[in-house]
Amino acid sequence: TQLLEQSPQFLSIQEGENLTVYCNSSSVFSSLQWYRQEPGEGPVLLVTVVTGGEVKKLKRLTFQFGDARKDSSLHITAAQPGDTGLYLCAGGDGNKLVFGAGTILRVKS
Amino acid sequence: DAGVIQSPRHEVTEMGQEVTLRCKPISGHNSLFWYRQTMMRGLELLIYFNNNVPIDDSGMPEDRFSAKMPNASFSTLKIQPSEPRDSAVYFCASSLQGAPGNTIYFGEGSWLTVV
Repeated sequence: TQLLEQSPQFLSIQEGENLTVYCNSSSVFSSLQWYRQEPGEGPVLLVTVVTGGEVKKLKRLTFQFGDARKDSSLHITAAQPGDTGLYLCAGGDGNKLVFGAGTILRVKS
Repeated sequence: DAGVIQSPRHEVTEMGQEVTLRCKPISGHNSLFWYRQTMMRGLELLIYFNNNVPIDDSGMPEDRFSAKMPNASFSTLKIQPSEPRDSAVYFCASSLQGAPGNTIYFGEGSWLTVV
């Protein structure tokens, strides 16, 4: 069974600060995705990375896929209260996705 | 465009009762997934279908759980009999197999409480 470990589990920061969330595995994944989930809703896809070493930017969010395709990071610059939520990484395993436990981010104004 | 539609959104039931959760995937998608989310275990894949056929049900916790997909636009997840430890949010999701990165689209979830 492929497992994804996310760290930290919880993060509470002030508006304007920067942060990085990590997603690590001992397995190689064909792709890796980041989702954001708000209370009472389902996860919503933020980005998919498929190539080792790939970096993608989405406004203030920067996603990186490790060279060996076993790990990924999500960096948020100048966090805002609207970034609050549960951030999940998910690894592609054939047609399935294996999810990490998530990082709960709270951005205080 | 309609996303994945789940019903009911919330259900409170007594232990021992049968629970049926319903899902309508995004039109044109050929893969459907049932996930369960709890604080303790996070998001777990229960079962997934490809072209209406169950492909992997290794995540189904026990025989009390069953899932069907009679056609491309409808699936059910049934728990009989239900137990308090089944309390969780159950998500249905769909995707188009072969799409880049296999993007999975989630419904809003069915919040189940078994008392």
